[in-house]
Amino acid sequence: DQQVKQNSPSLSVQEGRISILNCDYTNSMFDYFLWYKKYPAEGPTFLISISSIKDKNEDGRFTVFLNKSAKHLSLHIVPSQPGDSAVYFCAARPGAQKLVFGQGTRLTINP
Amino acid sequence: DTGVSQNPRHKITKRGQNVTFRCDPISEHNRLYWYRQTLGQGPEFLTYFQNEAQLEKSRLLSDRFSAERPKGSFSTLEIQRTEQGDSAMYLCASSIDGGWAPYEQYFGPGTRLTVT
Repeated sequence: DQQVKQNSPSLSVQEGRISILNCDYTNSMFDYFLWYKKYPAEGPTFLISISSIKDKNEDGRFTVFLNKSAKHLSLHIVPSQPGDSAVYFCAARPGAQKLVFGQGTRLTINP
Repeated sequence: DTGVSQNPRHKITKRGQNVTFRCDPISEHNRLYWYRQTLGQGPEFLTYFQNEAQLEKSRLLSDRFSAERPKGSFSTLEIQRTEQGDSAMYLCASSIDGGWAPYEQYFGPGTRLTVT
């Protein structure tokens, strides 16, 4: 059972525009959500997180929004830059130490 | 702080052979995690240590898999009698208990296993 889903395998955005990556989850017990970024041949790198008691967290060009009623999470990148091209994973913590990851979305920023 | 390191980076083995991977976490991190990632999927949790104690194991971790963290520092993951289905990227991550972002796990570059 896929508790965290990223339904878009890929996304292409023009440089300077907004990138919006989406994530849906099914487990109401998730208490923390994280976004990771992964370049080829490297491990995932932590990007930004949000507690389940909040609905927004912002860090520079990155903002994460949480809609608990819809069980939906999104990551906004503004403005998008070529270095943002990577695979982005949504992850959630089910009240235990492990993380449950989505399948990933490959973001390509076009010049 | 050199980050999480994993060795080897690549391993090719024949079906039925045993393999062992090593993970060195960030030095002050007391939590260590193993994940497995297959093509087109996100990382899947395998097991987790707090210091030297293995506190949780996924049902994905069959009897052929064993993980240790003998002195609460580095960890090893051994796969016995490898099968082609074991081919994957094996990721190690570490985190610190009580830090300001206690849920933030730092990942190593992974060990890519290919079973022929």
